[in-house]
Amino acid sequence: KAGVTQTPRYLIKTRGQQVTLSCSPISGHRSVSWYQQTPGQGLQFLFEYFSETQRNKGNFPGRFSGRQFSNSRSEMNVSTLELGDSALYLCASSRLAGVSDTQYFGPGTRLTVL
Amino acid sequence: DAKTTQPTSMDCAEGRAANLPCNHSTISGNEYVYWYRQIHSQGPQYIIHGLKNNETNEMASLIITEDRKSSTLILPHATLRDTAVYYCIVNNAGNMLTFGGGTRLMVKP
Repeated sequence: KAGVTQTPRYLIKTRGQQVTLSCSPISGHRSVSWYQQTPGQGLQFLFEYFSETQRNKGNFPGRFSGRQFSNSRSEMNVSTLELGDSALYLCASSRLAGVSDTQYFGPGTRLTVL
Repeated sequence: DAKTTQPTSMDCAEGRAANLPCNHSTISGNEYVYWYRQIHSQGPQYIIHGLKNNETNEMASLIITEDRKSSTLILPHATLRDTAVYYCIVNNAGNMLTFGGGTRLMVKP
């Protein structure tokens, strides 16, 4: 079956703008998690959604937000972009939440902030 | 989640077994050991996971010591396409994975 898909794959924005990234999980998966990867900080957990509710949130400012739709698709939004937001944003899906369940990652969205 | 320690980098000859160690001395009884790999700028790829027993799948084998304080990921016949960063993660908290620096495996011809 199809894997996790993310759109767009590449994005260039300027400081102060906002951006919305989209993630479609594997069919039947209800949990979607988002991660940020930068050369300096590595892979860091942003937040997790399950059944349209945010379950967990990492240590990121309020400029980073997300939501999940009834079909389990998820979007994340970053407002007032800063140069430091340039990163690879990864989405991962799993069937369950709250237990140790295998997460499968998408290819990522490469965001460049100029 | 328990912290893991992995070597920063390793080399392996093509066709030979690659043995990647991971130390997780503070692992608790209900924490699983997961392995992922990331090939340059792609999303991490799930490899294998286990709780207590050794596990094997089509990609790799996972050997967990009896005291569960360390584990080894084994790629039985490494190829150039196995060159990647390999992450060992211990997890019991669902979907909040904590990634360390991983091991950069270089498979050489």
